[in-house]
Amino acid sequence: EPEVTQTPSHQVTQMGQEVILRCVPISNHLYFYWYRQILGQKVEFLVSFYNNEISEKSEIFDDQFSVERPDGSNFTLKIRSTKLEDSAMYFCASSVGVVSGELFFGEGSRLTVL
Amino acid sequence: SQQGEEDPQALSIQEGENATMNCSYKTSINNLQWYRQNSGRGLVHLILIRSNEREKHSGRLRVTLDTSKKSSSLLITASRAADTASYFCATIGFTGGGNKLTFGTGTQLKVEL
Repeated sequence: EPEVTQTPSHQVTQMGQEVILRCVPISNHLYFYWYRQILGQKVEFLVSFYNNEISEKSEIFDDQFSVERPDGSNFTLKIRSTKLEDSAMYFCASSVGVVSGELFFGEGSRLTVL
Repeated sequence: SQQGEEDPQALSIQEGENATMNCSYKTSINNLQWYRQNSGRGLVHLILIRSNEREKHSGRLRVTLDTSKKSSSLLITASRAADTASYFCATIGFTGGGNKLTFGTGTQLKVEL
């Protein structure tokens, strides 16, 4: 069964460093997303991406964050100048489109900022 | 309360019993979905109910939606130890940005043998 894959599963970084989280969405999906979940808190929407551009972003997704689809398969989240409060599980998701509504999530990348 | 509040926050039952989780939301929705998350793992889609539907079944799952009360319930019948997980409701509104999900706070279900 097709699945969304994410790498790395866990990344530890020093405060102020840049990290790139990678995702391979399901191949025939058109919409891509990043969500995050701080330990013990709700899953929060960060950004949605369609047709090679951001279609919606949350207040959390400020200039520190960027997304890119560098080729036909990968979808990346870059976090610049990481802060302690960026420590969270970051989930990538994809969907066929807007009609079905179902999102397929990856297993997540745990980011720990020291 | 915030969009997507589940209750109870935690639920502990015996295997074979039914588990009911409730979700309330505040704004108009296009559809409501339930997701499951095993500890430290990703989110798995369970079931989707559209705003014009009142009830939906999938295997041992039964979901209801009351748009007048802005609430939904998830019933898991004949629970198993493997059902132990966190369950989240998530809503989709009427935005043009794809399927932006707003998640609730979740119910931690523990099914004991």
